[in-house]
Amino acid sequence: LAKTTQPISMDSYEGQEVNITCSHNNIATNDYITWYQQFPSQGPRFIIQGYKTKVTNEVASLFIPADRKSSTLSLPRVSLSDTAVYYCLVGVLNRDDKIIFGKGTRLHILP
Amino acid sequence: GAGVSQSPSNKVTEKGKDVELRCDPISGHTALYWYRQSLGQGLEFLIYFQGNSAPDKSGLPSDRFSAERTGGSVSTLTIQRTQQEDSAVYLCASSLVGAGGPRGELFFGEGSRLTVL
Repeated sequence: LAKTTQPISMDSYEGQEVNITCSHNNIATNDYITWYQQFPSQGPRFIIQGYKTKVTNEVASLFIPADRKSSTLSLPRVSLSDTAVYYCLVGVLNRDDKIIFGKGTRLHILP
Repeated sequence: GAGVSQSPSNKVTEKGKDVELRCDPISGHTALYWYRQSLGQGLEFLIYFQGNSAPDKSGLPSDRFSAERTGGSVSTLTIQRTQQEDSAVYLCASSLVGAGGPRGELFFGEGSRLTVL
């Protein structure tokens, strides 16, 4: 798996847009970028996955530049319930391999 | 059930005792993962099962830890002679294929919280 680097923590306010950037300079051609969200006392859950350009779903958007060496998870109009740890993972398409999580970004939403 | 099921949800044990944690993955999921998460920390990979292949045990912290997966479905993580540093939440996840690409989403259980006194 490609090594990833993301901020340890971020603070924001309710109603704001939050962008969390993940660096993955060694991303391989077949790698996909996946983000997970973990609320306190729960297991992580899948948020979004992408390969290039932009992906949007009901929860978030994922922006991936042309060189794919970074990606940005965008959470529109956050609320207190978006307080969680967000993990960025980069992995090979359908490869049989263990999945290692980094330390993630601890997002704290303030009222 | 529809999701990954783990039991027990909470386990308190005394130092030196053995414990078994169970994971029932989503039906049909070929990949199964065990992780450990200490308070305020990230997920620590423990072991990975994929189909009939030999498991990847590279994350097990000591020989007191072992895991098996019977019939390609239910998995049991066993910790022998528990120590206080084993106290953590043990999370199990399953996926349809190796989780690097489409259809590879990891589905996590709620975890088993282990407290060693």
